[in-house]
Amino acid sequence: GEDVEQSLFLSVREGDSSVINCTYTDSSSTYLYWYKQEPGAGLQLLTYIFSNMDMKQDQRLTVLLNKKDKHLSLRIADTQTGDSAIYFCAADGSGYSTLTFGKGTMLLVSP
Amino acid sequence: KAGVTQTPRYLIKTRGQQVTLSCSPISGHRSVSWYQQTPGQGLQFLFEYFSETQRNKGNFPGRFSGRQFSNSRSEMNVSTLELGDSALYLCASSLEVVGGRDTYNEQFFGPGTRLTVL
Repeated sequence: GEDVEQSLFLSVREGDSSVINCTYTDSSSTYLYWYKQEPGAGLQLLTYIFSNMDMKQDQRLTVLLNKKDKHLSLRIADTQTGDSAIYFCAADGSGYSTLTFGKGTMLLVSP
Repeated sequence: KAGVTQTPRYLIKTRGQQVTLSCSPISGHRSVSWYQQTPGQGLQFLFEYFSETQRNKGNFPGRFSGRQFSNSRSEMNVSTLELGDSALYLCASSLEVVGGRDTYNEQFFGPGTRLTVL
């Protein structure tokens, strides 16, 4: 089945850019997603990219997709302390309403 | 528009008991998916229901079951609880759009039910 992997931890300073990386295995994934989870909360969809796109920009967020390498990244510009959270990469290769998630990357933003 | 609601938010049970969790999707959404989140395994797909039928199932033992009602509300049940079932159980609903996989279909997640098994 689908497997999604991402680095576990990233620490940046406020105002810097953050880049979170993710790799997936199923080339049939149609959509790839980035979710954010704050302590004690559910998952909030940040952005997504359709598999036939290479890049998507949404305000401070930029998603890059390399289909050949099955590599996805999320760049957060001008990172703020409020961006501190766990970020999950997810792919829908296993089925239409079935998402396979990475283990999550904890982003820590220091002032 | 109200979001996905899950009840209860917190639950404490003992080994061997059974538990039922409830999820009310966003009005108009017919697909409901359930996920288990643990520190060790991360987020894992349990099952997905659409129009009262289980459409997809993850790799969990038969102790985990679910159902969906005609109003799209869903319940999941875990029987004979084990310590390892302690987790955050997340429900997500999505609007099924006729047209196939290429139509974007966002999953909206509820806040989760935190189950602790003692």
